[in-house]
Amino acid sequence: EAQVTQNPRYLITVTGKKLTVTCSQNMNHEYMSWYRQDPGLGLRQIYYSMNVEVTDKGDVPEGYKVSRKEKRNFPLILESPSPNQTSLYFCASSFVGAGVDEQFFGPGTRLTVL
Amino acid sequence: SQQGEEDPQALSIQEGENATMNCSYKTSINNLQWYRQNSGRGLVHLILIRSNEREKHSGRLRVTLDTSKKSSSLLITASRAADTASYFCATQNAGGTSYGKLTFGQGTILTVHP
Repeated sequence: EAQVTQNPRYLITVTGKKLTVTCSQNMNHEYMSWYRQDPGLGLRQIYYSMNVEVTDKGDVPEGYKVSRKEKRNFPLILESPSPNQTSLYFCASSFVGAGVDEQFFGPGTRLTVL
Repeated sequence: SQQGEEDPQALSIQEGENATMNCSYKTSINNLQWYRQNSGRGLVHLILIRSNEREKHSGRLRVTLDTSKKSSSLLITASRAADTASYFCATQNAGGTSYGKLTFGQGTILTVHP
């Protein structure tokens, strides 16, 4: 089944404790992206990757890191989480044709930083 | 930047009526995409319209794009209670160094009453 998986789905952590949210897709998509969703703010792009070893900042990259060593995986790293990073996080992937095509979204990771 | 502003923020209609949502954006785009989200779950792609297209249909969905006004509309005809969800537009930058950047609007919450 074609899908984007994220782990963990729920996470409660404390300020400053490094964490990684994994994202994996099985559709051989070139493009992968991370978003955060906060009430009243819609989705905001954190980082995106057009292909392996190619990553770029979205609108809200501060406090986050990413890497794209393999085509299928795009982990999101919070080196020192803070309470303002409490949010619902989505990973997405798509083909790149004439542009970034329809994105397939993962189920989301709800992160709480205390 | 707040590319992809949507209105109305909320829309309440009766089953069988049509629902129209609008999206405005600020910069040149490669394409514009509409997504649907049910209550905090992952987003589902509805339709993609490219910058050189003016109108697209998919089932009960009709999307228009006016690049001169930098705006798009999503029309859902003969709505059903199951259409109750949040709807988001997303724009992909036209080119340059931020080609892969996607910007989502804040969304329209649609409620369809049986």
